[in-house]
Amino acid sequence: QKEVEQNSGPLSVPEGAIASLNCTYSDRGSQSFFWYRQYSGKSPELIMSIYSNGDKEDGRFTAQLNKASQYVSLLIRDSQPSDSATYLCAVNLDRGSTLGRLYFGRGTQLTVWP
Amino acid sequence: KAGVTQTPRYLIKTRGQQVTLSCSPISGHRSVSWYQQTPGQGLQFLFEYFSETQRNKGNFPGRFSGRQFSNSRSEMNVSTLELGDSALYLCASSSTTGGNEQFFGPGTRLTVL
Repeated sequence: QKEVEQNSGPLSVPEGAIASLNCTYSDRGSQSFFWYRQYSGKSPELIMSIYSNGDKEDGRFTAQLNKASQYVSLLIRDSQPSDSATYLCAVNLDRGSTLGRLYFGRGTQLTVWP
Repeated sequence: KAGVTQTPRYLIKTRGQQVTLSCSPISGHRSVSWYQQTPGQGLQFLFEYFSETQRNKGNFPGRFSGRQFSNSRSEMNVSTLELGDSALYLCASSSTTGGNEQFFGPGTRLTVL
């Protein structure tokens, strides 16, 4: 059973704080990992992709990948009210494929209060 | 560069009808995937097309079908609509280079009455 699991939340943090979102996945051979942000009533927007163990930083966002632990996380520094959204973790669980389906977690709803 | 476009944006149908949804990928992208999003099931994969060929199919009944044209535009069709087909249908396009980053269109909101 191929699965992607996220901490269900909701997660609520004050403005300026660090928000930490976590995701685990079932297949050790997975190669591609993504974080999407989805505002209410909108479609998912790709905000981070990561393929190698370690950290990847893009502005206020840092993705962390640990393939041995089958764990990927997203840190949002200096959280802003505009970051309030549902964050979806997506993994390509089809071993060896460079194309193909993404398996999504159920999402973590983040609220940043002023 | 223009993003993924989907038409129509909203649809209301009745049970038993059929519906066709359209997706135009980002220019130069040759892979198109379709997903269904519902509050109860989240985002679920329907199928993926590349070079007019279905490469991957999710666990949906045969009422759900799709195709891709030579210009990479894609359509999906749902026949004999059921109430449970009410959902947001999302199309995502990706390039064949790189790591399968998929970019979503705005979606088609289908309501089945």
